[in-house]
Amino acid sequence: DIVMTQSPDSLAVSLGERATINCKSSQSVFYSSDNKNYLGWYQQKPGQPPKLLIYWASTRESGVPDRFSGSGSGTDFTLTISSLQAEDVAVYYCHQHFSLPFTFGQGTKLEIK
Amino acid sequence: EVQLLDSGGGLVQPGGSLRLSCAASGFTFNNYAMNWVRQAPGKGLEWVSVISGSGATAYYADSVKGRFTISRDDSRNTLYLQMNSLRAEDTAVYYCAKTTGTSCYSPSDFWGQGTLVTVSS
Repeated sequence: DIVMTQSPDSLAVSLGERATINCKSSQSVFYSSDNKNYLGWYQQKPGQPPKLLIYWASTRESGVPDRFSGSGSGTDFTLTISSLQAEDVAVYYCHQHFSLPFTFGQGTKLEIK
Repeated sequence: EVQLLDSGGGLVQPGGSLRLSCAASGFTFNNYAMNWVRQAPGKGLEWVSVISGSGATAYYADSVKGRFTISRDDSRNTLYLQMNSLRAEDTAVYYCAKTTGTSCYSPSDFWGQGTLVTVSS
């Protein structure tokens, strides 16, 4: 199984500041045949289902604010929120759908400092 | 507007069965693979199962293999998860999730609100 490890487990950032969440996979999730990283980022607020933010590691989902961006390839990935807003308080998960069984990171809890 | 309505959860005794449903609308259901993902109380996300857009291919997490069966009825635009031999560790909110393509390896872009399954005597 591919193990997804996020860091940090929790993060407190001041409003307007940058937040960075890292995700490392135990094996590459890059598929050379289509040149895609099978890696997504989800945001989950209390009592709500997860919401897709980023897919193929760096493609922003329609309607997601442009302060959210994804980067990385192979085994190392990053979700960046360029200027934290109050509504960004949530748990963030990375997710690989490259190899079965699909797996998620343990989650990173983002709070306001 | 895409909508996924999860239902069928409830309280069941260990060893019992439940069938979850996910009623889809707002998109051409048979064009998309669908996932079930669960979340135990206070815990993270765990992938459970996926079925291709055609329904010909399905995969399962080892933790549910042989006990759970995913299926779809494209005439009813509904996804199912038949859960047998339930255990306490199956207690979770179960979400259905639509993907972006027919392949099981497509990313999930929209999730239902979830249905709570509690396995307890």
